[in-house]
Amino acid sequence: DARVTQTPRHKVTEMGQEVTMRCQPILGHNTVFWYRQTMMQGLELLAYFRNRAPLDDSGMPKDRFSAEMPDATLATLKIQPSEPRDSAVYFCASGPGPSNEQFFGPGTRLTVL
Amino acid sequence: AQSVAQPEDQVNVAEGNPLTVKCTYSVSGNPYLFWYVQYPNRGLQFLLKYITGDNLVKGSYGFEAEFNKSQTSFHLKKPSALVSDSALYFCAVNANFNKFYFGSGTKLNVKP
Repeated sequence: DARVTQTPRHKVTEMGQEVTMRCQPILGHNTVFWYRQTMMQGLELLAYFRNRAPLDDSGMPKDRFSAEMPDATLATLKIQPSEPRDSAVYFCASGPGPSNEQFFGPGTRLTVL
Repeated sequence: AQSVAQPEDQVNVAEGNPLTVKCTYSVSGNPYLFWYVQYPNRGLQFLLKYITGDNLVKGSYGFEAEFNKSQTSFHLKKPSALVSDSALYFCAVNANFNKFYFGSGTKLNVKP
């Protein structure tokens, strides 16, 4: 049963620290998405990759966030420096094509103190 | 501009009754429409999708959705609700092989 995996599942850190979240998409999927979910803002798209190339990161605060796909089996989302307002659940999702359904990982719950 | 609207923050229904969760969309081009469900402390799970063809789409767990082009709607339905259907439901649209747009979510409460 192929699944998207995310690590860590939970992260508590202090303001100003660097945070790195990792995602392993489903093998063979060529689209990868990063989302952030909060009670106030709902589900927000942060970044979108197709064939490892970034296509859209307009939803991501550029000064502190960065997203990369070093290879087809790993996507990373970094926050440096982190701030309390970054506290949220971050989801990675992958899909077999640009208009196919997405498969979501279990999320990383980030708390920035 | 592409957008998705879920006009109800919450829907309450008694177990055994039919349920409807509403979704309307605005896209340029032919829409690809999706429904996802999210249980507490979990990621979103795909329920069903409309790409083309029959306007009534059947999906997982007995859910179905009806695509209505003239009303630009894609409402989620189930003939008989279960308590275990209680969750957060998201509608999403994708057009022209572009990125996905998600609605704000509707919390479904099914009471015994």
